[in-house]
Amino acid sequence: EIVLTQSPGTLSLSPGERATLSCRASQSVSSTSLAWYQQKPGQAPRLFIFATSRRATGIPDRFSGSGSGTDFTLTISRLEPEDFAVYYCQQYGSSPYTFGQGTKLEIK
Amino acid sequence: EVQLVQSGAEVKKPGESLTISCQGSGFSFTNYWIGWVRQMPGKGLEWMGIIYPGDSDTTYSPSFRGQVTISADKSVSTAYLQWSNLRASDTAIYYCARPLRPSAFDAFDVWGRGTMVTVSS
Repeated sequence: EIVLTQSPGTLSLSPGERATLSCRASQSVSSTSLAWYQQKPGQAPRLFIFATSRRATGIPDRFSGSGSGTDFTLTISRLEPEDFAVYYCQQYGSSPYTFGQGTKLEIK
Repeated sequence: EVQLVQSGAEVKKPGESLTISCQGSGFSFTNYWIGWVRQMPGKGLEWMGIIYPGDSDTTYSPSFRGQVTISADKSVSTAYLQWSNLRASDTAIYYCARPLRPSAFDAFDVWGRGTMVTVSS
């Protein structure tokens, strides 16, 4: 089973700042098989990034994904108030298709 | 509109059985894998398993194999998650989700709203 470790656990930033979220895999993950989701309280997760760097429908271009092998990154270039939420990475290249434990992005 | 509609919240006692459902609409249900994801209170997402309604091919996470049963009835475009002996530790929100592309293991782009299952004596 591929274990995904996200860091930091909590990230405290202000609107307008840049956010960098990390997802490290215990084994190599294909770049076509890494996704990022956003989840807000009381809501289902929402797909933001798939295949490492492709934005899902309707996701603004301030969100970008990068990485390869075992290290992946979600970057939010300039934080908007609606971006503060929990973000999860997921690999879907090797069953079970595991999630990371999440990074909470909170307003500083 | 593409959507997954999940059954309502459940409150059960330990030892009881339960089946929750996830009905798809707006897409060809038989051609997409449907996955189940658990979220325990205040915790993260856990991938439980996935089923292909077209032929009921199913894959489970080792953590959930033998603990739950995933099934589907393509005639009513519905996937199911079943327990035969609930435990308090099964208390969680359970989401169903559909991948981006048909017939592919892919990121989940369509999610149900979740079914809250509470198991308490």
